[in-house]
Order: sequence, then C-alpha cells, then structure tokens
Amino acid sequence: AQSVTQLGSHVSVSEGALVLLRCNYSSSVPPYLFWYVQYPNQGLQLLLKYTSAATLVKGINGFEAEFKKSETSFHLTKPSAHMSDAAEYFCAVSERSNTGKLIFGQGTTLQVKP
Amino acid sequence: GAGVSQSPSNKVTEKGKDVELRCDPISGHTALYWYRQSLGQGLEFLIYFQGNSAPDKSGLPSDRFSAERTGGSVSTLTIQRTQQEDSAVYLCASSFQGQGATPLHFGNGTRLTVT
Repeated sequence: AQSVTQLGSHVSVSEGALVLLRCNYSSSVPPYLFWYVQYPNQGLQLLLKYTSAATLVKGINGFEAEFKKSETSFHLTKPSAHMSDAAEYFCAVSERSNTGKLIFGQGTTLQVKP
Repeated sequence: GAGVSQSPSNKVTEKGKDVELRCDPISGHTALYWYRQSLGQGLEFLIYFQGNSAPDKSGLPSDRFSAERTGGSVSTLTIQRTQQEDSAVYLCASSFQGQGATPLHFGNGTRLTVT
C-alpha cells in the first residue's frame, strides 16, 4: 500500500527565511503527488500537484516542489517565508487509478516568527 | 455553489446518539470523498463515491458508520451510537472525475464533539 511520510510535525522559521517541508512517499510506480495547506478552522486548499509533466512544480503563494524519483521525495519549498504562511501543510499521494483517493501524510505545522 | 459546503459546521452530541453530517459537493463533480481528521491520526480516508455508488468503503472504521449519496450530488455521513472516539473533524471533498491526477476540493468540515 502507498504511504506518505512527512518529516517533522512542527517546523519553525523566521519571516524571510527559506521554508523547507519534507515529504517522502512509498510506491513502486511514481504516483501523483499533492501538497495542500490548511488554515485554522478551514478545509484543505491545493498548493500544487505533480502529475509527471515536469519534476519542478510551481504552486500558489510562491511555493514550489521538486519530484525526485531516486529519493522518492517531493519536498515543498518557498524562498522567503511570510507571516501569512503559518498553517498546517499536508503532502498526499494518489494512486494511478480511477478513484482519485488521496493518502495523506501526518501534516507539518509551519510557524513563522517575526 | 462555488465550493464544497458542509453542514453543520459544529455538532455536539451525547454518547450513544446518532448524528448525520451533510455534504454538498461542487456542481458537476461526480466523485465525492469523506475523510476524518483527528489529533494524532492525521487525515483518514473513509469512503469514496462515484455518482451514487460507493466502490471504496475501505476506510469506514466500524458498522456504526454509513454514508449515502443521492442524485449524484448531496451526501450524508451517518454515525450511529456515537462514541467519544468519534470526536473529530469530518471533511468532505469532491472532484470532477475521480481520477488520480484530479485534485480534490475540500469543504471546511464538520467538527463533531461527543460528550
């Protein structure tokens, strides 16, 4: 079965610093990969997705992620953190099937310090 | 509507009572999913609908949980004889076709508290 591991349940950065949120997946076949963000008391919002077109994927709010097959990773980065980036971030994998079901990692809470 | 709508937004119930949670997906989305989000458990898949059929119910934790979808639109998740461990946020999501590359659109969830 597919699984997703997010390293670090909490990450703290200073405003303006690099954001790096780690995600590794387990799958025998490169799956579809997603990053979602969740603000307090809200649902999940799609940040970006990888569907095999390009390994470097750009998303909303200045985020991007790079698919590395050799490392089975899909880490999320942003060059300069903003206070409004404070939220919980989820990495998810979808099987190459006809259901679209997502398997989520445990989530990483990003804290941005002024 | 413009997005996935869930009601109620909050529900407090006594242990042993039945509850119904409602989800209105985005118009035209044939796929609908229910997830449960609880502390320490992350986001757990519960059930997937394609149209009115549920080809994947593998995440329903017990026979106290059931869901239905009517008219290819609204879905109801029912929890019978609620237990304290059912306390969680229940998220509904929909997508256009339910295929692997299609992102899911989430509602804001229903926060269920069982006292």
